[in-house]
Amino acid sequence: SQQGEEDPQALSIQEGENATMNCSYKTSINNLQWYRQNSGRGLVHLILIRSNEREKHSGRLRVTLDTSKKSSSLLITASRAADTASYFCATDALGYGGSQGNLIFGKGTKLSVKP
Amino acid sequence: DSGVTQTPKHLITATGQRVTLRCSPRSGDLSVYWYQQSLDQGLQFLIQYYNGEERAKGNILERFSAQQFPDLHSELNLSSLELGDSALYFCASSVEPFLTGELFFGEGSRLTVL
Repeated sequence: SQQGEEDPQALSIQEGENATMNCSYKTSINNLQWYRQNSGRGLVHLILIRSNEREKHSGRLRVTLDTSKKSSSLLITASRAADTASYFCATDALGYGGSQGNLIFGKGTKLSVKP
Repeated sequence: DSGVTQTPKHLITATGQRVTLRCSPRSGDLSVYWYQQSLDQGLQFLIQYYNGEERAKGNILERFSAQQFPDLHSELNLSSLELGDSALYFCASSVEPFLTGELFFGEGSRLTVL
């Protein structure tokens, strides 16, 4: 079963618009990561935010983390057609499933950016 | 390019057969993770090895097994294959045994069981 749940499942926007994806998770975490996957390809790490951080920026990406609500959001500003991909949040899920040292992924948000 | 190499990229086989997927981690990375991605289950963690030893186990079926060799490459063995085993299998690597940083993913091996 999934630890993280992304919302929305799919998002379609025009180039230049901002895209916001949300992630909720169930248990305490050390960190939360966002990954991107182009269709049928490997996952690429975008950004990591630790549990004691509230916001982090990387280029056109902005990630927030609210540990009290067990939620995170990924904002992509000024989107481009090349941003079209699936975006996943992943947590290290302390104590979830009885194992540590593995990332647990949500089902992802499929982003489509139309030129 | 993540530096993680997976072979084969595509594999088509029949039910009941056995296949081996291979992964070479990034240079210097001691941890190898295996994930299965299917449409209905999403990305599922299977197993992790660190420096040759099994470190963590996830939703790995008994028909599946893995190992990490002294040169740190890893193999995932899938036996008595069923139609439902059709999926993308990813290998990822990291330096440390604990998830303090990012994972580097290979491009995956797409397994089709007919």
